[in-house]
Amino acid sequence: ETGVTQTPRHLVMGMTNKKSLKCEQHLGHNAMYWYKQSAKKPLELMFVYSLEERVENNSVPSRFSPECPNSSHLFLHLHTLQPEDSALYLCASSQEDMRGYTGELFFGEGSRLTVL
Amino acid sequence: RKEVEQDPGPFNVPEGATVAFNCTYSNSASQSFFWYRQDCRKEPKLLMSVYSSGNEDGRFTAQLNRASQYISLLIRDSKLSDSATYLCVVSPYNQGGKLIFGQGTELSVKP
Repeated sequence: ETGVTQTPRHLVMGMTNKKSLKCEQHLGHNAMYWYKQSAKKPLELMFVYSLEERVENNSVPSRFSPECPNSSHLFLHLHTLQPEDSALYLCASSQEDMRGYTGELFFGEGSRLTVL
Repeated sequence: RKEVEQDPGPFNVPEGATVAFNCTYSNSASQSFFWYRQDCRKEPKLLMSVYSSGNEDGRFTAQLNRASQYISLLIRDSKLSDSATYLCVVSPYNQGGKLIFGQGTELSVKP
């Protein structure tokens, strides 16, 4: 079993749909992340949760709404997306130290989203 | 200027070749440095951390030059299985441990 699991692996949605991406980590880490990966572009950090508290929101449009109910689960709620939001969405977890510095990031396999 | 910039690639090399990847970063306060590897249609995975004194792991050697804000990864005796995208990752000291990824350099090792 992989340490970080994401569902669904593939998602096709229309611009008016509401859907959610789910991530679960089995590593006992205290921080979870959402990244966006588009073709030929660097991974873009979207949200960071540390000890279930959102500590970073990288100017992400409000049509993306994260939720972290506990340290093992992370959701990304999607609403009225645009075609340019089509990308691979990667969840990751890590163990942060007392200063909040990140150890190794462990990624899930990603959810490939297509917005029509 | 991009925060982390890598060779655009792709690199196409024969088996057994030595290949070097370069990476520069813009934030002089960067604290930690890594190379991640991402196979086609897979998630990124940590390949190795990069230490100030340079470090080696088998066929892989990582170097850091803080004065030039430059990081390198050398792969010796490349194998078909080394084919992947290599991501340079930097953690700026003044951004609370946030990791900044480069766009990646694709390597294709041919028989």
